[in-house]
Amino acid sequence: DSGVTQTPKHLITATGQRVTLRCSPRSGDLSVYWYQQSLDQGLQFLIQYYNGEERAKGNILERFSAQQFPDLHSELNLSSLELGDSALYFCASSVVGDNQPQHFGDGTRLSIL
Amino acid sequence: QQQVKQSPQSLIVQKGGISIINCAYENTAFDYFPWYQQFPGKGPALLIAIRPDVSEKKEGRFTISFNKSAKQFSLHIMDSQPGDSATYFCAASKPRGSTLGRLYFGRGTQLTVWP
Repeated sequence: DSGVTQTPKHLITATGQRVTLRCSPRSGDLSVYWYQQSLDQGLQFLIQYYNGEERAKGNILERFSAQQFPDLHSELNLSSLELGDSALYFCASSVVGDNQPQHFGDGTRLSIL
Repeated sequence: QQQVKQSPQSLIVQKGGISIINCAYENTAFDYFPWYQQFPGKGPALLIAIRPDVSEKKEGRFTISFNKSAKQFSLHIMDSQPGDSATYFCAASKPRGSTLGRLYFGRGTQLTVWP
């Protein structure tokens, strides 16, 4: 068990809808990262938050947004969903410091019908 | 553009054999190279990691070999076991102050160890 909790485990919705994925980092970890895993693109970095502030952005679509709350949990919001958004979404967390290990949750599988 | 290239895509090894997975990178700013193991239905789990100031790191049956001049690194799994059957990802990261630790992943290698 990595200590990173993601909910829900599975999400099935339709095109055009909006969903929210939730992540609780390991106790003490201030950094949260979001990754998307798909057959086409592999594991791709989306966005990072550190102690409530956005710190780095990857190839995240404008339809996607995230935030980190004062209790350090994070949410990834996906809107105007398209079929191509179907993927596994992983959250990872780490402590502060150079290249500290990132610990991944078990992901949310998003299926767009 | 894939910043970390991984091969092979799949690998079948007999129990007790050596599994070798290779990765290559172009960006010399990378200074941290972890390997992750992923089982179906689970998230990637950190297996072992190396920095470019050492050429080899061993943890149990897992060894990373690192060739800085060739910009290549590899994972060796000695005495491979059926329980090692999983997908393995190499990754790379830049130092703090650049993109703050985001991981660039290879495309993964699906390892199957036959009993």
